[in-house]
Amino acid sequence: AQSVTQLDSQVPVFEEAPVELRCNYSSSVSVYLFWYVQYPNQGLQLLLKYLSGSTLVKGINGFEAEFNKSQTSFHLRKPSVHISDTAEYFCAVSLAGGSNYQLIWGAGTKLIIKP
Amino acid sequence: GAVVSQHPSRVICKSGTSVKIECRSLDFQATTMFWYRQFPKQSLMLMATSNEGSKATYEQGVEKDKFLINHASLTLSTLTVTSAHPEDSSFYICSARDYLAGGETQYFGPGTRLLVL
Repeated sequence: AQSVTQLDSQVPVFEEAPVELRCNYSSSVSVYLFWYVQYPNQGLQLLLKYLSGSTLVKGINGFEAEFNKSQTSFHLRKPSVHISDTAEYFCAVSLAGGSNYQLIWGAGTKLIIKP
Repeated sequence: GAVVSQHPSRVICKSGTSVKIECRSLDFQATTMFWYRQFPKQSLMLMATSNEGSKATYEQGVEKDKFLINHASLTLSTLTVTSAHPEDSSFYICSARDYLAGGETQYFGPGTRLLVL
């Protein structure tokens, strides 16, 4: 079975500082990896995804993530955060080549931007 | 591209009534749609997987007679909360797979906040 661990429930960071949100997964088979962002009282928006190929993935809003197979990690990074990045961030995995591509979710990390 | 809408965005109803929530893929065809429930400050809980033209597959612990799902077309799935009770109050989110684009990515609707009085 697959599982996803987001180690930090909250990450406070000053505006314009860099940030890293951590995500580790467990799976015995190949997976696809995703980061979604949820702004207050809204649905989820896809930030970026890793399916195959280059392990460094660039997404929207200046975010990027690196797939590290040996460490089973897919950490999300941004070099300089803005107040508008305040949101909940979810890491998720699905089985590569699965039939329905159901997502296994992390618990989420709340990014708090301090002015 | 890959836009998913939900309607209504918010609904308040009396206990015992039924509420229907619509999920539409606006610019792509979705053979599979998912329905989630999200409690405050928590992650998403998958309720059911809905495949076009067939019965939905419900997750363990989700009452299929309580949460009726219909996926009659490639762009529309509906979730009906029957005989709603206050404990059904929650944020319901749908997602859809764009199968023509590979299908591995789920695109989410904006969610529906249900309050049962």
